[in-house]
Amino acid sequence: TQLLEQSPQFLSIQEGENLTVYCNSSSVFSSLQWYRQEPGEGPVLLVTVVTGGEVKKLKRLTFQFGDARKDSSLHITAAQPGDTGLYLCAGRNNTNAGKSTFGDGTTLTVKP
Amino acid sequence: EAGVTQFPSHSVIEKGQTVTLRCDPISGHDNLYWYRRVMGKEIKFLLHFVKESKQDESGMPNNRFLAERTGGTYSTLKVQPAELEDSGVYFCASSQVIGRNNEQFFGPGTRLTVL
Repeated sequence: TQLLEQSPQFLSIQEGENLTVYCNSSSVFSSLQWYRQEPGEGPVLLVTVVTGGEVKKLKRLTFQFGDARKDSSLHITAAQPGDTGLYLCAGRNNTNAGKSTFGDGTTLTVKP
Repeated sequence: EAGVTQFPSHSVIEKGQTVTLRCDPISGHDNLYWYRRVMGKEIKFLLHFVKESKQDESGMPNNRFLAERTGGTYSTLKVQPAELEDSGVYFCASSQVIGRNNEQFFGPGTRLTVL
C-alpha cells in the first residue's frame, strides 16, 4: 500500500511569513499533485509534478518533486490570509494512472 | 462550463437505512472517480469508471457499497445498509483522459452522517 505522509498537520503563522509543507512516501510515484481545499468544497488542483527534481512556481508558491520521486514540498513565500486552507498532496503511478493516493493534509491558517 | 456536481450535499440517516449519492461529471468526461474521507483520515479512492465500465473498484470497502454509471453519464453510489463507520464526505471527480498528468476535477462532496 502506498502511503503519503504530510507534515506539519497544522500550521498557524502570521501574514508575511514563509512556510514549507512536506509530503513524504517510501514509494515512488510517477506524478504528484498538490491540491487546495476550502470548507464545503472539493480539492482544487494547484500543480502536477512529474519529473524527479522538478521545480514549479505558481506566484508565491514553489513546488518541488524529489529526485527519487518519493517526496515533494510546497513552499509559500510571504503568506497572506487568502492562503488559508487545507493543502493536500496526492500521488499516482503508471500502473493505475486513474487512482490518486492522498496525504492526510496540512491545515494552514494565516493570521492578518 | 459546469463543474462536477453532487447530490445531496448532506445526508443524515439511521444505521441500517439505505442512501444513494449522485454525481454528475463534467460533460464529455469519460472518467469518473469516487473517493471518500472518513473522520480524521485521508481521502481514499473507492473506484474508477471509464464510461459505463468499472475500470478499478479496488477501493470499495465491502459489498454494502454499489456504484453504477448506466449510460456512461452520471453515477450513483448506494450504501445499503448503512453503518456508523460509513459516515464521512464522499467526493466524486471526473477527468477527460487518464494518465499521470491529467487533471481530476472534484465535486463539492456529499457529507454523509449515519446515526
